[in-house]
Amino acid sequence: AQSVSQHNHHVILSEAASLELGCNYSYGGTVNLFWYVQYPGQHLQLLLKYFSGDPLVKGIKGFEAEFIKSKFSFNLRKPSVQWSDTAEYFCAVRGYGQNFVFGPGTRLSVLP
Amino acid sequence: EAEVAQSPRYKITEKSQAVAFWCDPISGHATLYWYRQILGQGPELLVQFQDESVVDDSQLPKDRFSAERLKGVDSTLKIQPAELGDSAMYLCASRPVSGRANEQFFGPGTRLTVL
Repeated sequence: AQSVSQHNHHVILSEAASLELGCNYSYGGTVNLFWYVQYPGQHLQLLLKYFSGDPLVKGIKGFEAEFIKSKFSFNLRKPSVQWSDTAEYFCAVRGYGQNFVFGPGTRLSVLP
Repeated sequence: EAEVAQSPRYKITEKSQAVAFWCDPISGHATLYWYRQILGQGPELLVQFQDESVVDDSQLPKDRFSAERLKGVDSTLKIQPAELGDSAMYLCASRPVSGRANEQFFGPGTRLTVL
């Protein structure tokens, strides 16, 4: 069975700080990996996705993530966060022929 | 850009009452999902439809929850009777068959409060 863990429940940063949110998954086969963001009062939106190829993927709003197959990880990064990045971030995995499984989420608070 | 529509956005009900949520996926999206998201947690799949057929309802509490997608377009999720532990956000998502077939598009959700 697939599962996803996210390392941090709540991260607090000041504007311009660098961000890295951890995500690890368990699944033995080919996976598609996703990061979704949920801004306050808004619905879940796709930030970026990995299907195959270059393990470093770039998404919207300056976010990127790196797939490290040997570590079963897909960490989200941003070099310099803004106040508007305050949101909840969810990592998700979809194994071949499987359904999507979401992690518990990481709440990011960016202080102005 | 087309969006997934859900209604109502908020629902407050008393324990043991019946509630129903409606979802209209993006036009042409054959796959439809219902998720439950408890506060502070990630979405958990309740049921998946492919057109009008249920593909996966293994996590749906079938003693009180039911879901249908009669014409393969919009869908209804029902809870009868509602229990206090059902308080959560109920999310609908849809996915196309081709093109961006590995992406889900989420609606705004229905926040259910059971008193």
